[in-house]
Amino acid sequence: DIQLTQSPSFLSASVGDRVTITCRASQGISRRLAWYQQKPGKAPDLLIYAASTLQGGVPSRFSGGGSGTEFTLTISSLQPEDFATYYCQQFGGYPLTFGGGTRVEIQ
Amino acid sequence: EVQLVESGGHLVQPGGSLRLSCAASGFTFSDHYMDWVRQAPGKGLEWVGRIRDKAKGSTTQYAASVEGRFTISRDDSRNSVYLQMNSLNTEDTAVYYCARGFWSGDIVYYGDYWGQGALVAVSS
Repeated sequence: DIQLTQSPSFLSASVGDRVTITCRASQGISRRLAWYQQKPGKAPDLLIYAASTLQGGVPSRFSGGGSGTEFTLTISSLQPEDFATYYCQQFGGYPLTFGGGTRVEIQ
Repeated sequence: EVQLVESGGHLVQPGGSLRLSCAASGFTFSDHYMDWVRQAPGKGLEWVGRIRDKAKGSTTQYAASVEGRFTISRDDSRNSVYLQMNSLNTEDTAVYYCARGFWSGDIVYYGDYWGQGALVAVSS
């Protein structure tokens, strides 16, 4: 199975900060990676797929990058509504797997 | 408007069975793969499995943790996907979500639309 390691697992930041979350895959997955945002008690929301394609309706302050084994999710200017948990997921092979999540909290 | 509505969540005893349903509307259901994802209380997301569309034979893939116990099926005439869960144990306690798949290049991603979630509690 392909393992995904997210870092950090917890991040404390302020409104307006630039934030970057990293996701590392245990083997190369080309650009077959998605990012999701989840708020407490809610279903996840798809932010980015194919490593860098922004899902419709997602603000442009979110961006994704990377390929192979290392990927990033960047929020250019953190907004109050962005405090949530973020997950990466690989689509390079079955079973599909998630990273452990990164919780972003208000500093 | 695209909607996915799950039903069937319940309290069940260890060793028991349960079937979740996910009713879709607002899109051509038969054209889409469908996935199931779960989240145990206080834990991260776990992909459960997927069913391909009829054109791909409605074939399925599963996570190792549920392989052989869970079965995903679909009824395109009812615009519904199902998750049959057998031999349930306490580790299966979770909120279960269905999500719609979509093509990008040669890969099917999912999650442009999600259900609201169905709570399955396994306890004696």
